[in-house]
Amino acid sequence: DVKVTQSSRYLVKRTGEKVFLECVQDMDHENMFWYRQDPGLGLRLIYFSYDVKMKEKGDIPEGYSVSREKKERFSLILESASTNQTSMYLCASSRRLAYEQYFGPGTRLTVT
Amino acid sequence: DQQVKQNSPSLSVQEGRISILNCDYTNSMFDYFLWYKKYPAEGPTFLISISSIKDKNEDGRFTVFLNKSAKHLSLHIVPSQPGDSAVYFCAASARETSGSRLTFGEGTQLTVNP
Repeated sequence: DVKVTQSSRYLVKRTGEKVFLECVQDMDHENMFWYRQDPGLGLRLIYFSYDVKMKEKGDIPEGYSVSREKKERFSLILESASTNQTSMYLCASSRRLAYEQYFGPGTRLTVT
Repeated sequence: DQQVKQNSPSLSVQEGRISILNCDYTNSMFDYFLWYKKYPAEGPTFLISISSIKDKNEDGRFTVFLNKSAKHLSLHIVPSQPGDSAVYFCAASARETSGSRLTFGEGTQLTVNP
């Protein structure tokens, strides 16, 4: 059974803070993804990685960076959090050539 | 530009009736389509998919139809059950994109009334 876990379910940070969101998958998947979900906008891809130390920008990478030092772990970093980054953040993983992605439970981030 | 669009933000149906959720896309390079279901406070879970070489795929109560010429797909749920109440996202992928990235629609909130 595929399991994707995220470090926090709820997080409250102040404007200007550096924020780390961690994601771990236990299925040896090559691909990992970070999305944010906002009402009326669906899921939008921030960054993804198809191998260790590899990363590619998604549709909305501005204000974010990522790190993938180990295959099972993919971190999303908000260098200086802003109120417009208040959102639900979802991590997902998939096998290299597979379309189906498996999602974690999400982190509800509030920036005040 | 929104390449995958779900024009109905919400849909309400009676238990036992058919639910039809619609999705349109603009990118002709998309060749694989998926539907995900999301309950509150949970991540999306995969429901059903279809390749562009098919026009229909069925799995129990769920059927997805693809009309390539119209760039339109739909998800049919028959019969609908209260436990089907959730947000449904359609997603699309193009074979040449790296890492099998998906482009998602905005989502449709389905409510099935007992």
